Amino acid sequence: ETGVTQTPRHLVMGMTNKKSLKCEQHLGHNAMYWYKQSAKKPLELMFVYSLEERVENNSVPSRFSPECPNSSHLFLHLHTLQPEDSALYLCASSHSGIRAYNEKLFFGSGTQLSVL
Amino acid sequence: AQKVTQAQTEISVVEKEDVTLDCVYETRDTTYYLFWYKQPPSGELVFLIRRNSFDEQNEISGRYSWNFQKSTSSFNFTITASQVVDSAVYFCALSEISGGGADGLTFGKGTHLIIQP
Repeated sequence: ETGVTQTPRHLVMGMTNKKSLKCEQHLGHNAMYWYKQSAKKPLELMFVYSLEERVENNSVPSRFSPECPNSSHLFLHLHTLQPEDSALYLCASSHSGIRAYNEKLFFGSGTQLSVL
Repeated sequence: AQKVTQAQTEISVVEKEDVTLDCVYETRDTTYYLFWYKQPPSGELVFLIRRNSFDEQNEISGRYSWNFQKSTSSFNFTITASQVVDSAVYFCALSEISGGGADGLTFGKGTHLIIQP
């Protein structure tokens, strides 16, 4: 079993749909992350969660809503998305909490999202 | 201005050639970490190396080597005797202590490396 598992691998949705992306980590880590990877752009950090706190990138639109019910699971709820939101959404985890700037990240394979 | 610049968008070489991927970074912190990640076609980024700002020793791991030079703010990655399995997108990333980790890693745009048989 891989360390970080994301489902679904591919998702096609209309602009009026509501869907959720799921991430699960089996590494016993304390922090989980959502990254957005768009073509020809650097990876963009969207949200970071650990038991103590949540940090978000203020540029992320409110149509993206994260949820972290426990240290092993992370969701990204999507509603009324726009075509420009089409991208690869990557989940990652790290051993220590949010403030550990020297941590290496363990990534899932991502969800390729297409918004029509 | 970009904090991490990977000027080479795509590199194509023939198998067994050596190839160097460039990374130039920008920071005002004296304490920071630099990383390289590999993204194969399967999608997940795989950690390759981490280097702190106080350790300028070059690193070699098998066919991979890294050259960190603070004087030029560069952290270049060389693959010796490249193989088809090395084909992937490679990302350089910076983590600054001033961000406290909460800002996450600042990634470059990546270099798509194609190794032709």
